[in-house]
Order: sequence, then structure tokens, then C-alpha cells
Amino acid sequence: DAKTTQPPSMDCAEGRAANLPCNHSTISGNEYVYWYRQIHSQGPQYIIHGLKNNETNEMASLIITEDRKSSTLILPHATLRDTAVYYCIVRVRNSGYALNFGKGTSLLVTP
Amino acid sequence: GAVVSQHPSRVICKSGTSVKIECRSLDFQATTMFWYRQFPKQSLMLMATSNEGSKATYEQGVEKDKFLINHASLTLSTLTVTSAHPEDSSFYICSAREGGGAYNEQFFGPGTRLTVL
Repeated sequence: DAKTTQPPSMDCAEGRAANLPCNHSTISGNEYVYWYRQIHSQGPQYIIHGLKNNETNEMASLIITEDRKSSTLILPHATLRDTAVYYCIVRVRNSGYALNFGKGTSLLVTP
Repeated sequence: GAVVSQHPSRVICKSGTSVKIECRSLDFQATTMFWYRQFPKQSLMLMATSNEGSKATYEQGVEKDKFLINHASLTLSTLTVTSAHPEDSSFYICSAREGGGAYNEQFFGPGTRLTVL
């Protein structure tokens, strides 16, 4: 799996958009970008994934640069419940191997 | 998404005892299950991978005789921490991967907090 780099922490005001960056400059052509988050003392939760096109679901949007070397997860209207550690993971889809978690970004949403 | 449960959610035990943690896939068949461990303020670390009906594959540094994994059915895997010691206190998380589907994503359980006194 390609290596990813994320800022260790970020703050965001409640109601504002949270933009979480991820660098993955060594991504291969068949690797997807996945985002998970982990709220304190809970298991990781899948958020979204994409290959090269921007993706949106009920939780978030994923913007992938044209060269695919970086991406941004966008939480459009952050709430206090979005406070969590967010993990960006790059891997081949359908891989039989376990997800490999880095250190992620600790997002704090403040009132 | 698919649901994975763990039981118990938290357990406190005395040093030297064994503890069993169950991981169940509730609405799908999991051909592969993974066990992770997470210490405070650290990320998840993979301990082992188990495929239904075969022996688990352990990551380097994880003692297979201490952390016994059984994946006897497509919906249940168990992790037994044998002769637990305080340094085994951690947050244990399982995840399950559905087999046979077009896109076999990993789904995570809620975790089990183990405290060894």
C-alpha cells in the first residue's frame, strides 16, 4: 500500500466545513483512496473512498487531485459528533490484506 | 453497511487469567477476520488475520500461543488472551471482510476494552 501523510491535528468550528488533507504521492494506478474515522473508544467507521473522480455521500465529499497525489476529505457542516481521528488509507480494492492504519488526523470540532 | 459485533464491550480481569473476546458478522459471511490492538493515543496495530477454517496468520511480534484465534465459522471469530498480564490491557478491535462479493470491504466491530489488574 502506498504511504500517506496527514497533519496530526486540526480544529474546526461547529457548522463550518472541515477540510482534511492527505498526501499520497506514491499512489499506484490501481490504488484507491479510503477514508475512515475513529471516534474515541469506538471501532473505525468507513466514510468514503474513490479512485480518481470526486465522490460524495451522505457523510462527506472526497476530492482527489488530477495527478492523484493528494486528496481532501470534506465534512460540509461539521458537528461536535464529528470529533474523531480521521485516517486516509491508500490500497488496492478487493485486497485480501488488512487495512493498515497510520497516525491519522485528530479533528476537534469546537462549539 | 454490514454490521460486526464484539462481546464483551469491556472486561476487567485479574492477572494470570484468560479472556475470550467474540467477534461476529451479523448480516454477512466473513471469510476473513482481522484482529487489531490499540494502546492509548496510538493507532490500530494489526495482530493477526484469520480465514475461516484455517490457522491464523500473526504479525511479527505477536505471540500466537498467547493470543489464540479461532475462526470456526463464517460469522464468528474468537480471540483468547491467555494468562493475561497488565501489559495486555488494551483496546481490541476486530474487523470482518465479506467473501465472494464484488467489493469486499472491511467492516469493524465496536471494540473490546480489556483491563488486566
